Amino acid sequence: GAVVSQHPSWVICKSGTSVKIECRSLDFQATTMFWYRQFPKQSLMLMATSNEGSKATYEQGVEKDKFLINHASLTLSTLTVTSAHPEDSSFYICSAPNRDRGSYEQYFGPGTRLTVT
Amino acid sequence: SQQGEEDPQALSIQEGENATMNCSYKTSINNLQWYRQNSGRGLVHLILIRSNEREKHSGRLRVTLDTSKKSSSLLITASRAADTASYFCATVKTGAQKLVFGQGTRLTINP
Repeated sequence: GAVVSQHPSWVICKSGTSVKIECRSLDFQATTMFWYRQFPKQSLMLMATSNEGSKATYEQGVEKDKFLINHASLTLSTLTVTSAHPEDSSFYICSAPNRDRGSYEQYFGPGTRLTVT
Repeated sequence: SQQGEEDPQALSIQEGENATMNCSYKTSINNLQWYRQNSGRGLVHLILIRSNEREKHSGRLRVTLDTSKKSSSLLITASRAADTASYFCATVKTGAQKLVFGQGTRLTINP
């Protein structure tokens, strides 16, 4: 149990366009989800905390107008990269804690590789 | 921002040997977790150790936590080629939910 999916798994887009990435908890409800970015051979950097029914909380240095987060239901959070540029090319990963299990353990999606040309 | 340092950054050993990775952190924590990431994939949770625990085992994994030194270690015994991956420690600060990741250790097990 406790599966998190992401869609798409990879996307290539042109500079200046917007890309939406979905993160779904498949078998549990997630009032909170987290979005990370990971550059090659580096660690995960937390971008923002997505809260169901309220505004996301962004980490310092992350532009909220560029990385739009919508957590419209208990099983879905979306990250939209607006006006993408080549420097936004990265691996984007979401995670969600399964509160039903009363644990701090988080379940990660498989990631979305974004390439901006 | 990343809280922790991990060492070594890269480790290459022969199959069957033990692998030890270390993690240090800076603030008070509720718990510390270890995750594995295969290349280009998401993360898989390995083990969680709470701040009031000193050692925990899970199969071939052994994790220790020293809160006085703000450090943890992950030991993988009898390593296998399939253990080749990047390993990250992540901390949860007291009163918080989010994970703060260390820089990771790239482990290579040579057959």
